[in-house]
Amino acid sequence: ELKVEQNPLFLSMQEGKNYTIYCNYSTTSDRLYWYRQDPGKSLESLFVLLSNGAVKQEGRLMASLDTKARLSTLHITAAVHDLSATYFCAVDPYSGGGADGLTFGKGTHLIIQP
Amino acid sequence: KAGVTQTPRYLIKTRGQQVTLSCSPISGHRSVSWYQQTPGQGLQFLFEYFSETQRNKGNFPGRFSGRQFSNSRSEMNVSTLELGDSALYLCASSYRGYTEAFFGQGTRLTVV
Repeated sequence: ELKVEQNPLFLSMQEGKNYTIYCNYSTTSDRLYWYRQDPGKSLESLFVLLSNGAVKQEGRLMASLDTKARLSTLHITAAVHDLSATYFCAVDPYSGGGADGLTFGKGTHLIIQP
Repeated sequence: KAGVTQTPRYLIKTRGQQVTLSCSPISGHRSVSWYQQTPGQGLQFLFEYFSETQRNKGNFPGRFSGRQFSNSRSEMNVSTLELGDSALYLCASSYRGYTEAFFGQGTRLTVV
């Protein structure tokens, strides 16, 4: 059974600081996604990482994937209040036989304080 | 282009009743997946449909079922509702099922 572990699960940080969210998963996969969820809202796709060594950046967020270590990171640079949200990583165990569904981490609840 | 549309947005049902939720995927997307989100269990995969066929199913009881129509619209049904079925139900569409998934706004189901 695929397991996806995120840490930390809760993060309170100050504006202007840098931090990294970690996502470890238990089985071979080269498909990993990061989503953002605001309270009461749906999931917004942030990054799609489809190969070992993939790095994607959008504004103050940068995501990377190391399939050998089964690890993805989401790095926040110079945080601003608008980035406060819950961030999920999700792994797709797709093996060529059809979609098996995404397995999500428990999410990292990020609060950025002025 | 229009995103994923889920209806209704909110539902209140009584234990023992059944409920049907609807999802219209992004135009051109043939895969629709359903997820349940609860505070305790997080986001869990329910099932995925592609070209009207269920390709995979998560670890949920048979009370949870779904279907997909020829226009790729999908419905999920929950029979004999239990209090624990209260959740946010999210639908995601993608082009092939293993490509990027886009989520709808969700249906918030409350069972009383």
